[in-house]
Amino acid sequence: SAVISQKPSRDICQRGTSLTIQCQVDSQVTMMFWYRQQPGQSLTLIATANQGSEATYESGFVIDKFPISRPNLTFSTLTVSNMSPEDSSIYLCSVGTGDHGEQYFGPGTRLTVT
Amino acid sequence: SQQGEEDPQALSIQEGENATMNCSYKTSINNLQWYRQNSGRGLVHLILIRSNEREKHSGRLRVTLDTSKKSSSLLITASRAADTASYFCATDAEGGSNYKLTFGKGTLLTVNP
Repeated sequence: SAVISQKPSRDICQRGTSLTIQCQVDSQVTMMFWYRQQPGQSLTLIATANQGSEATYESGFVIDKFPISRPNLTFSTLTVSNMSPEDSSIYLCSVGTGDHGEQYFGPGTRLTVT
Repeated sequence: SQQGEEDPQALSIQEGENATMNCSYKTSINNLQWYRQNSGRGLVHLILIRSNEREKHSGRLRVTLDTSKKSSSLLITASRAADTASYFCATDAEGGSNYKLTFGKGTLLTVNP
């Protein structure tokens, strides 16, 4: 297993601003992911954060809106850029350490955009 | 879309009763996983069942998988108030990465003391 922390745990931001969310893992991991969970909804994969190269984005998510950094095997950041109220969600990072796709999740960052 | 569908959307039971949640998905999979989420927090991995398995147990949890019906069920026996949470199934597409998960919509379980 892995222990994952995220900062901030929550934030209230104004429309048009950007927020950077940090994800820290207590051990080196290859696979790291960012998800969005809109209010009352399920999780949607935003991207896979690749160490040393550009993130791999899922359909509907673009780098200009959600730039991701992965400088090493224990840390990643997700920036939500030029925010609008529709970006209000919980953002979660996860890591994959099991042999068959099991993932461990951080506690999430609850973002409210006003 | 691969997205799974859980039913029921919400389930309310008394402590000590069993809770059964179902998940259906649309395309062939490598594995199916169940996760728990307490009140908008991070998800906790509960159990994984491979596509060639039909049943798996872990403590008070029992998971079944029927690939012919593209469905799975999660049974929690002797429920406790602490089991109150949302439960999600997650699948990965056959032939794809085990880590590219598609989550279902979830079942909100309330266990009343």
